[in-house]
Amino acid sequence: NAGVMQNPRHLVRRRGQEARLRCSPMKGHSHVYWYRQLPEEGLKFMVYLQKENIIDESGMPKERFSAEFPKEGPSILRIQQVVRGDSAAYFCASSPGGQGYEQYFGPGTRLTVT
Amino acid sequence: DQQVKQNSPSLSVQEGRISILNCDYTNSMFDYFLWYKKYPAEGPTFLISISSIKDKNEDGRFTVFLNKSAKHLSLHIVPSQPGDSAVYFCAATYYFGNEKLTFGTGTRLTIIP
Repeated sequence: NAGVMQNPRHLVRRRGQEARLRCSPMKGHSHVYWYRQLPEEGLKFMVYLQKENIIDESGMPKERFSAEFPKEGPSILRIQQVVRGDSAAYFCASSPGGQGYEQYFGPGTRLTVT
Repeated sequence: DQQVKQNSPSLSVQEGRISILNCDYTNSMFDYFLWYKKYPAEGPTFLISISSIKDKNEDGRFTVFLNKSAKHLSLHIVPSQPGDSAVYFCAATYYFGNEKLTFGTGTRLTIIP
């Protein structure tokens, strides 16, 4: 049973370009969460999605960031017009839903903005 | 506002001894707590969890204790092994609602052979 898959593992973008990060949840998991870890900090929640629905986006910056989890295919975190401060590790997690279920994390995408 | 705090950024423990990692929280609405372990350049790996109806949960070498009145939890690892060297994060959430995890800033555990 494959775990949470994220790609690419490393992404380098110049300031002003777009970054697209992909996440495929574990088989049987319908809940996806995105977190960001800045250097020397803990993980910060960004957004929680179920298929075709954004459930909680309280941690998403108001501009340039968007997320989707379509009916078919992976969840996508999109960052438009990247700036140096977007450089971080972005982690996706999934859970099967229900109460108290643990979230299982992917290996992360390390975004570097030059 | 840091709702989950891990006040020790690092901890060194001799191999074979007990490692105790601590975590405090301020939001009394949290009722489900988790510990994750993270190696460099990898995602966090789930270790163990506890709900607020319990004060202790064990899984092999790992035991988590919860003191609700003090809003404090701890992770005990015994005996500590070299492979336990990693960064440990505690996280808190709500049992009902599939809510986001709120993480502490992590404690780097080093096991000395």
